[in-house]
Amino acid sequence: EVQLVESGGGLVKPGGSLRLSCAASGFTFSSYSMNWVRQAPGKGLEWVSSISSGTSYIYYADSVRGRFTISRDNAKNSLYLQMNSLRPEDTAVYYCARPTDSRYDFWGQGTQVTVSS
Amino acid sequence: SYVLTQPPSVSVAPGQTARITCGGNDIGSKSVHWYQQKPGQAPVLVVYDDSDRPSGIPERLSGSNSGKTATLTISRVEAGDEADYYCQVWDSSSDHVVFGGGTKLTVL
Repeated sequence: EVQLVESGGGLVKPGGSLRLSCAASGFTFSSYSMNWVRQAPGKGLEWVSSISSGTSYIYYADSVRGRFTISRDNAKNSLYLQMNSLRPEDTAVYYCARPTDSRYDFWGQGTQVTVSS
Repeated sequence: SYVLTQPPSVSVAPGQTARITCGGNDIGSKSVHWYQQKPGQAPVLVVYDDSDRPSGIPERLSGSNSGKTATLTISRVEAGDEADYYCQVWDSSSDHVVFGGGTKLTVL
């Protein structure tokens, strides 16, 4: 059974940093690209970042480029999102999602990030 | 950047048919995927590649895509279909994933 479990969310002040983690199991993690998708309170889904299986290809949404860094450790079956210079508008539930072709067939349960003074 | 446009809300009586649209420039040339999200839960893929269904998704949910509009159709709507629905594509020109703004389906 595929499982994606996010952790690392919390309350942080504007300008602060957080590192999110996603622990994957039930599939060959090293064979799949992985993504982060977020959802602000009462808002829609927003793609944040993608990383290819071997880390050769990394992409970011314009809203986070230069502040967020996606990475992965295939030996640990883990995906990460380092978030720096956080802003109130980064407040959201952050989901780890596994794409197959261009669709997301598995999602984690999400981790809440709140940026507030 | 590529934009997908969905109506904010759609209302339908139980047993009727709901149609949720997703508009985008030449969307008919892209593969469109649809997600259902209920309050407090992660999204669930309900239609992929325009019209295919993952295992476990009822045949009442179907999709189509042509020209400038993709459509998610829910036949014989049930109370349990009440949720937010999102369309999604991959924009090859930017290598970015794009979501529509979401449509709240209300079952009257």
